[in-house]
Amino acid sequence: DAGVTQSPTHLIKTRGQHVTLRCSPISGHKSVSWYQQVLGQGPQFIFQYYEKEERGRGNFPDRFSARQFPNYSSELNVNALLLGDSALYLCASSSSGGADTQYFGPGTRLTVL
Amino acid sequence: TQLLEQSPQFLSIQEGENLTVYCNSSSVFSSLQWYRQEPGEGPVLLVTVVTGGEVKKLKRLTFQFGDARKDSSLHITAAQPGDTGLYLCAGAGGSQGNLIFGKGTKLSVKP
Repeated sequence: DAGVTQSPTHLIKTRGQHVTLRCSPISGHKSVSWYQQVLGQGPQFIFQYYEKEERGRGNFPDRFSARQFPNYSSELNVNALLLGDSALYLCASSSSGGADTQYFGPGTRLTVL
Repeated sequence: TQLLEQSPQFLSIQEGENLTVYCNSSSVFSSLQWYRQEPGEGPVLLVTVVTGGEVKKLKRLTFQFGDARKDSSLHITAAQPGDTGLYLCAGAGGSQGNLIFGKGTKLSVKP
């Protein structure tokens, strides 16, 4: 079975632009979470979705938004990019969300110039 | 605010040595997960510990969850160069049901 997949793998944008990152969870998993990992730090929680509903949101500005589709795939959108948004964006899937074990994708490396 | 403190932050050892990585918090977690991450890749799950006092073994890796479910340790016996990577602990039980990560321990095993 395929694991969590994310696209694109790398992305370069300039300040002020908008970006959309995509994630497909493990087959049968209904929950997707998004994390931001800056260099030298552990991942920081951004969003969790379960059955297309937002279940949780971390301490990120409103420029960050996400949604989950009927097939449980998800998109993370970031508007008005800042230099500080440069990071590895990780998607994790779990069968039921919450405290359930999460499995991570390879990540999308976003560089903002 | 729930925090997980990992120590040491960096560790450089010779092949064959033993090591222990610690993950500590003042908060109780319903479970704790250990991940290993290579540069530019996503974290790969090693183990989930759920019960206070639980010990799990994965080949040369031994994981322990503290009795009070506030701390955990990872012990590697006879480290090999293939063990090199960033080791992350993550506690389940954030207010949003999310994982809370430590900053990680960067391990380098030299042949």
